[in-house]
Amino acid sequence: NAGVTQTPKFRILKIGQSMTLQCAQDMNHNYMYWYRQDPGMGLKLIYYSVGAGITDKGEVPNGYNVSRSTTEDFPLRLELAAPSQTSVYFCASVGLLPRFTEAFFGQGTRLTVV
Amino acid sequence: AQTVTQSQPEMSVQEAETVTLSCTYDTSENNYYLFWYKQPPSRQMILVIRQEAYKQQNATENRFSVNFQKAAKSFSLKISDSQLGDTAMYFCAFMKRRIQGAQKLVFGQGTRLTINP
Repeated sequence: NAGVTQTPKFRILKIGQSMTLQCAQDMNHNYMYWYRQDPGMGLKLIYYSVGAGITDKGEVPNGYNVSRSTTEDFPLRLELAAPSQTSVYFCASVGLLPRFTEAFFGQGTRLTVV
Repeated sequence: AQTVTQSQPEMSVQEAETVTLSCTYDTSENNYYLFWYKQPPSRQMILVIRQEAYKQQNATENRFSVNFQKAAKSFSLKISDSQLGDTAMYFCAFMKRRIQGAQKLVFGQGTRLTINP
């Protein structure tokens, strides 16, 4: 059981470049989330999804886009990367009641924008 | 909107001591979950303990226990007989308990805990 898989683990981008962070879960979870964690700080919610075709903004959505075409995948797109987007990005998933127990997290993607 | 506050940015104790991490939250919901997650230097998020708001009994997991005060909206984590491996960032988190519909998983700012030998 792979759980939540994020790729890549590390990436360096130049200012203005774009990239997609991939997130996939194999637990048939409905809810998926993208967070960013700046050094020494907590997790801030970027976007979340309650199911295929449904997404919503979190606290810090500017500069990012998401899509959810399948239950398994929830990619995060960065357009026109800026140094302020240097952070560690986490994807998480949660199952619906009564299967819900906890949030499962990916290993994180460390992104540096130079 | 739900908010979670951890008022202790850093804490440090000696090995084998007991330490308590504080967490308060703000919500108008009656049914919800509260969590403590541990994040060691590896960055992996690890569930430490979970509390369901409709259960009055405080959750315990081996050396970890919580003091859940629903009326005061307080959810502290007690670590007994602390070990060097407990050194990590600890996050308190909140999620509504819903059958369906949008729900966010909200985190506090974190407390960096250091266990000294």
